[in-house]
Amino acid sequence: AQTVTQSQPEMSVQEAETVTLSCTYDTSENNYYLFWYKQPPSRQMILVIRQEAYKQQNATENRFSVNFQKAAKSFSLKISDSQLGDTAMYFCAFIPHAGGTSYGKLTFGQGTILTVHP
Amino acid sequence: DVKVTQSSRYLVKRTGEKVFLECVQDMDHENMFWYRQDPGLGLRLIYFSYDVKMKEKGDIPEGYSVSREKKERFSLILESASTNQTSMYLCASSLVGLAGAEQYFGPGTRLTVT
Repeated sequence: AQTVTQSQPEMSVQEAETVTLSCTYDTSENNYYLFWYKQPPSRQMILVIRQEAYKQQNATENRFSVNFQKAAKSFSLKISDSQLGDTAMYFCAFIPHAGGTSYGKLTFGQGTILTVHP
Repeated sequence: DVKVTQSSRYLVKRTGEKVFLECVQDMDHENMFWYRQDPGLGLRLIYFSYDVKMKEKGDIPEGYSVSREKKERFSLILESASTNQTSMYLCASSLVGLAGAEQYFGPGTRLTVT
């Protein structure tokens, strides 16, 4: 069974600064996907960024980037130039690749509440 | 845009009542999921469905059942609501066959059982 751990229940950052959210996972799978999802207050959860384990290059999406350390089973999210709209709960999630087919069953971490202060 | 809707944002029910939570998606996704979200526990999968009339138990199926009679609709049923089922319930959908496929979430239903 896979587990995903987010050890930071809450984080805060000043607007325009950079913040890093941590995520570790445990699996015996060799190929898998990792995700960061964002849940703004009273709004729907949306995908921020995804990483496929066999790709060595870290994924980036505008101000969002990841530091994927496969050997350490670590998958942190860096948010650069933080904006007030980044205030949300962030979830790290894992899914095994399962030979190219999957029912899409994600395993989520506990979540980190990020507050961006003006 | 993908749209996943849930029948209620807030719901208050009494212990022992039968509760139906409805979820509808408009993107012709095969996969649909029901999660519950609790503080400090993240999202936990209750049930999922990969096709009409097909269902699989997730990690915490006890006390719940599901129904999927049409591709776009996935219902979560609490046969006899209990106070420990007070929670936020999230529905999601995704394409089948793509392990890295994005899951699209509904707005959630905050259920209180008194």
